[in-house]
Amino acid sequence: IAGITQAPTSQILAAGRRMTLRCTQDMRHNAMYWYRQDLGLGLRLIHYSNTAGTTGKGEVPDGYSVSRANTDDFPLTLASAVPSQTSVYFCASSDSTDRGNEQFFGPGTRLTVL
Amino acid sequence: GQNIDQPTEMTATEGAIVQINCTYQTSGFNGLFWYQQHAGEAPTFLSYNVLDGLEEKGRFSSFLSRSKGYSYLLLKELQMKDSASYLCAGMDSNYQLIWGAGTKLIIKP
Repeated sequence: IAGITQAPTSQILAAGRRMTLRCTQDMRHNAMYWYRQDLGLGLRLIHYSNTAGTTGKGEVPDGYSVSRANTDDFPLTLASAVPSQTSVYFCASSDSTDRGNEQFFGPGTRLTVL
Repeated sequence: GQNIDQPTEMTATEGAIVQINCTYQTSGFNGLFWYQQHAGEAPTFLSYNVLDGLEEKGRFSSFLSRSKGYSYLLLKELQMKDSASYLCAGMDSNYQLIWGAGTKLIIKP
């Protein structure tokens, strides 16, 4: 059982380019999340999905989009990358969004936008 | 506004006990989580508290006081492998996690 996988592990991207970060989970979790983690700041929620077919905006959604066509996959797309999107991106999932449900994290994608 | 405060860095000695404090302000409250994150790795779940009091799990314990908006993580019998960042996160009324910046714990022999 892999849990949550993310691809790529790391990427250097020219500003203005389009990029999709992939996230797949095999735990049949209903809820999935995308966070970015920057030095000195807490994890910040970009987008989330409570169940397949639905998505919602988090704290910092601008410049990012997501889709949830099925339970397992939750890709994050940067339509036109900017240097401020340089960060470590973590995908996470949880069985539900109810209280107490721990989130399981993928290994992260380190993205550098030049 | 919503806010989680925790110390930036702490240092402790192998074999000792350390307490990492966290104060929180969230819109509604559905519990308090602690995660561990080793450098370059993903966060992993340590504990969840929704009621006041102490929850013990092996060498790690977590405490919550809802009236004070306060939690702490207690680590006993520190080992070198406990060197990591410890993230405090409050769950708000929308069941979303509000994260602190993390406390980097340095263990010295």
